[in-house]
Amino acid sequence: EAGVAQSPRYKIIEKRQSVAFWCNPISGHATLYWYQQILGQGPKLLIQFQNNGVVDDSQLPKDRFSAERLKGVDSTLKIQPAKLEDSAVYLCASSENRASGGYTFGSGTRLTVV
Amino acid sequence: EDQVTQSPEALRLQEGESSSLNCSYTVSGLRGLFWYRQDPGKGPEFLFTLYSAGEEKEKERLKATLTKKESFLHITAPKPEDSATYLCAVQGGSEKLVFGKGTKLTVNP
Repeated sequence: EAGVAQSPRYKIIEKRQSVAFWCNPISGHATLYWYQQILGQGPKLLIQFQNNGVVDDSQLPKDRFSAERLKGVDSTLKIQPAKLEDSAVYLCASSENRASGGYTFGSGTRLTVV
Repeated sequence: EDQVTQSPEALRLQEGESSSLNCSYTVSGLRGLFWYRQDPGKGPEFLFTLYSAGEEKEKERLKATLTKKESFLHITAPKPEDSATYLCAVQGGSEKLVFGKGTKLTVNP
């Protein structure tokens, strides 16, 4: 079974620039999550999709972050404009359904904002 | 608000030296407690789900246990390849996972 694919693996941008991350979940997984993991911290949920609808985006900084999941499959997360404190690893995960806690994570995108 | 506290932050063991990691939690309506392993540069890898107090799960040298307030991850006779950060997470009524900061385990040969 193919895992969760994410790209790019690394990205370095200057503050106030924009950046986008892409995620392809496991085939058939209805639920997709974007997590932010700051160095030395546990992952923090940014947004959760069920198929192509948003279930929870309460911790997404909506003034600068946006996400979409077209056709209930791939997803993109965008930051515009980026701040220094956005430097983190952005992890995408998927699961069969909302009740399942056994997520499959991708390897993440490491973002450095300078 | 659901919360997870893991201790210690870091643990260094000699190969074969058994120990335990702790995960204390507060959650409204526990649906499940989860343990993940995270290697450097990779995403978390799912290990176990525990649903109710008294439950235990085992996988190779790892055993996870659950009480009403905390969970333990016991590591028996660890090997260097067990070195990783171990993350604990809880799922409550909101269905979303809330993670702790993790315990970084280093096993020296």
